[in-house]
Amino acid sequence: SQQGEEDPQALSIQEGENATMNCSYKTSINNLQWYRQNSGRGLVHLILIRSNEREKHSGRLRVTLDTSKKSSSLLITASRAADTASYFCATGFSGGYNKLIFGAGTRLAVHP
Amino acid sequence: DGGITQSPKYLFRKEGQNVTLSCEQNLNHDAMYWYRQDPGQGLRLIYYSQIVNDFQKGDIAEGYSVSREKKESFPLTVTSAQKNPTAFYLCASRRLGQEGEQYFGPGTRLTVT
Repeated sequence: SQQGEEDPQALSIQEGENATMNCSYKTSINNLQWYRQNSGRGLVHLILIRSNEREKHSGRLRVTLDTSKKSSSLLITASRAADTASYFCATGFSGGYNKLIFGAGTRLAVHP
Repeated sequence: DGGITQSPKYLFRKEGQNVTLSCEQNLNHDAMYWYRQDPGQGLRLIYYSQIVNDFQKGDIAEGYSVSREKKESFPLTVTSAQKNPTAFYLCASRRLGQEGEQYFGPGTRLTVT
């Protein structure tokens, strides 16, 4: 079964609104990453948060991590139509080949 | 202009035929990965390689094979033994020592009929 599971599966909002996506995972991790995928394209790395960090910001993105609840959230503030994409969380583990386990993603639609 | 290229973007094959997907990177990354993505699902790891002439099976390696003869190249062969090969295939790379972040190519959509 997948390590990370995103919630909701799909999200539809208006431009200017905030979008919040959640990710839950099952086992201990070294880091958690969020990626973005436009339809039919490759993934683009957005942000990485380490297991000893609780919150991280990058531009309009805010990521939180609660290791006690094994969950993370991605907040996109003041969304734009160009933010329309699928967003995936991926849990990373130390050592070896730095395996990432991806969730099924949240499909975000931002309407003008 | 550095990055990862995958070719072709779309590939069509008849059942029973082997097909090879190309992945090239000029980022000087040591590690390379192949993932499979099915509709509405996340990525699943097929194979990975950390160094030339060495590669390891991922979670769903059955029916696939790879080679790593050059640092820049990591081709994936989808063999006739793969029961359900129609999918979107993504190649990624990572610099060893850099924590976590993987760089992805644009993907190849394979359709087998």
